[in-house]
Amino acid sequence: GAGVSQSPRYKVTKRGQDVALRCDPISGHVSLYWYRQALGQGPEFLTYFNYEAQQDKSGLPNDRFSAERPEGSISTLTIQRTEQRDSAMYRCASSPGTANYEQYFGPGTRLTVT
Amino acid sequence: AQKVTQAQTEISVVEKEDVTLDCVYETRDTTYYLFWYKQPPSGELVFLIRRNSFDEQNEISGRYSWNFQKSTSSFNFTITASQVVDSAVYFCALSEHQGGSEKLVFGKGTKLTVNP
Repeated sequence: GAGVSQSPRYKVTKRGQDVALRCDPISGHVSLYWYRQALGQGPEFLTYFNYEAQQDKSGLPNDRFSAERPEGSISTLTIQRTEQRDSAMYRCASSPGTANYEQYFGPGTRLTVT
Repeated sequence: AQKVTQAQTEISVVEKEDVTLDCVYETRDTTYYLFWYKQPPSGELVFLIRRNSFDEQNEISGRYSWNFQKSTSSFNFTITASQVVDSAVYFCALSEHQGGSEKLVFGKGTKLTVNP
């Protein structure tokens, strides 16, 4: 079946612009996660949804970052007033339930802020 | 706080050699889960295994095996008879079962290169 998809795959933006990154989870997966991965590092947690409820946003670095999942399926991660330090790979993952099921990752969006 | 340490930054082996990737974790919780993911050069993250803290049995899947030892807080991964296609970055990760948070905490990864 179809895996997690993300769009765009690559995004180049100028400093100060807003960007919206989209994640389409595996059909039927109730949990959705956003991570950020710097080069040479493991993914770092940003936020987590159970259905449409944002259960944990402790990893969002500051208030320029926000995420939503209004209908419990597709999610959008928005970064306002981008800065160069926001450049990274942004990964989305989904899992079939709670209780620490395995998370299946999408291909990621490579964000470059110039 | 949760922490995952993969002390080996890079490993290089010759095809058909066995190789073990180390993972040491820290957690205060008694219930937790451990994972391994593979990130090949193409960049995707591929799930390999999930283990809960109550199951210390070793697991074998083809050429892959995992050794979980609570006494040393380790969850090591062995590839037997390595192949060039095993070349990738391998990440160990930990999640705790508390407070409704399902986040994975990843180590920094071990880059494995298998040379022909």
